[in-house]
Amino acid sequence: KAGVTQTPRYLIKTRGQQVTLSCSPISGHRSVSWYQQTPGQGLQFLFEYFSETQRNKGNFPGRFSGRQFSNSRSEMNVSTLELGDSALYLCASSLDPGTLYNEQFFGPGTRLTVL
Amino acid sequence: GDSVTQMEGPVTLSEEAFLTINCTYTATGYPSLFWYVQYPGEGLQLLLKATKADDKGSNKGFEATYRKETTSFHLEKGSVQVSDSAVYFCALRKSGGSNYKLTFGKGTLLTVNP
Repeated sequence: KAGVTQTPRYLIKTRGQQVTLSCSPISGHRSVSWYQQTPGQGLQFLFEYFSETQRNKGNFPGRFSGRQFSNSRSEMNVSTLELGDSALYLCASSLDPGTLYNEQFFGPGTRLTVL
Repeated sequence: GDSVTQMEGPVTLSEEAFLTINCTYTATGYPSLFWYVQYPGEGLQLLLKATKADDKGSNKGFEATYRKETTSFHLEKGSVQVSDSAVYFCALRKSGGSNYKLTFGKGTLLTVNP
């Protein structure tokens, strides 16, 4: 079974631009979560989508948004990029939340550099 | 709010040494606890988990026991290898409801020398 894939793996943008990152979950997984990883703040939860609906949201400004498609693929968008948005963005997928234990499987991440 | 505190790194050990990485948590209710590992240039991999008090998670020689009385989930391995060099993250997830957000510690960099 293929794992979680994220594209692109590396991205360089300049301040003020916007960026879209993509995540394809494991086949059959309906929940997709996004995390930001930086040296200073560590791993922080951005948001989670299930069946095309945002269920949970972390404490990030409105410049960070996302969506999920009917095939469970997800995208996140960051508008008006700032230097502090430079980070590794990780996507994680998991099965239907009705299961007792709902392991999250992580992708390799997209490394975003804002210049 | 929920939080996870793990020992500051980096940790440097010689091959076959004993490893302990401390992790304590603050959360209401009965969270599930996890250890994830991140190898250079890769995403996170689940190393082990425990879903209730006194559970012991184990995998690849690593172990951790869910201690509710001390709110701890310390990671141990009896004999580390060079291939164990990575960043280790302790994490929790609240049980119940529909919030599957993971709350992570800051991570501990482990370097094992031959």
